[in-house]
Amino acid sequence: DTGVSQDPRHKITKRGQNVTFRCDPISEHNRLYWYRQTLGQGPEFLTYFQNEAQLEKSRLLSDRFSAERPKGSFSTLEIQRTEQGDSAMYLCASSLGGTASEQFFGPGTRLTVL
Amino acid sequence: SQQGEEDPQALSIQEGENATMNCSYKTSINNLQWYRQNSGRGLVHLILIRSNEREKHSGRLRVTLDTSKKSSSLLITASRAADTASYFCATDEGAQKLVFGQGTRLTINP
Repeated sequence: DTGVSQDPRHKITKRGQNVTFRCDPISEHNRLYWYRQTLGQGPEFLTYFQNEAQLEKSRLLSDRFSAERPKGSFSTLEIQRTEQGDSAMYLCASSLGGTASEQFFGPGTRLTVL
Repeated sequence: SQQGEEDPQALSIQEGENATMNCSYKTSINNLQWYRQNSGRGLVHLILIRSNEREKHSGRLRVTLDTSKKSSSLLITASRAADTASYFCATDEGAQKLVFGQGTRLTINP
């Protein structure tokens, strides 16, 4: 257990539905990251927050995706109008920041879009 | 896009043997990290090596970094069944995000 939690661990939804995932980082970590991982691949960066500010978004993050970190603590990732191609593991990580900072990953949310 | 490429993509060895995985990357880095992922689980940080370091040890792990060749290696000595997992190298980009390779799937046979 790294101290980063994610909820739910698994989500099965029908195409076209909206889903929301939650990540609770390690409390003193000011940086929070979202990654997506498909089968047999390494994680790919989606977006990151410094406290409550969203500072970077990958081009992988289409306009159907939105992430928030309203009080600089937990974060949510919402996917609207899900597509089968959204099926993946969504990983959250947190870190203290800085130039050589280890990221601590949560267990992930596995999304299956039928 | 993924920065690094791990080699081999899959490795199967007998318990007690050493396992070596290699990682190559494309751009300049501040540091390189290795992570382990058990099947269907989150990633666990193993070791971080800075760009001005050449070698680092942690228990049974030894990591080397050659910035002139843009490559790193991870050596696991005296492997155990519990080492069975996927191993990923990750490089920083502007210290804001990690860029992962595709990973090496390591299987330790009892």
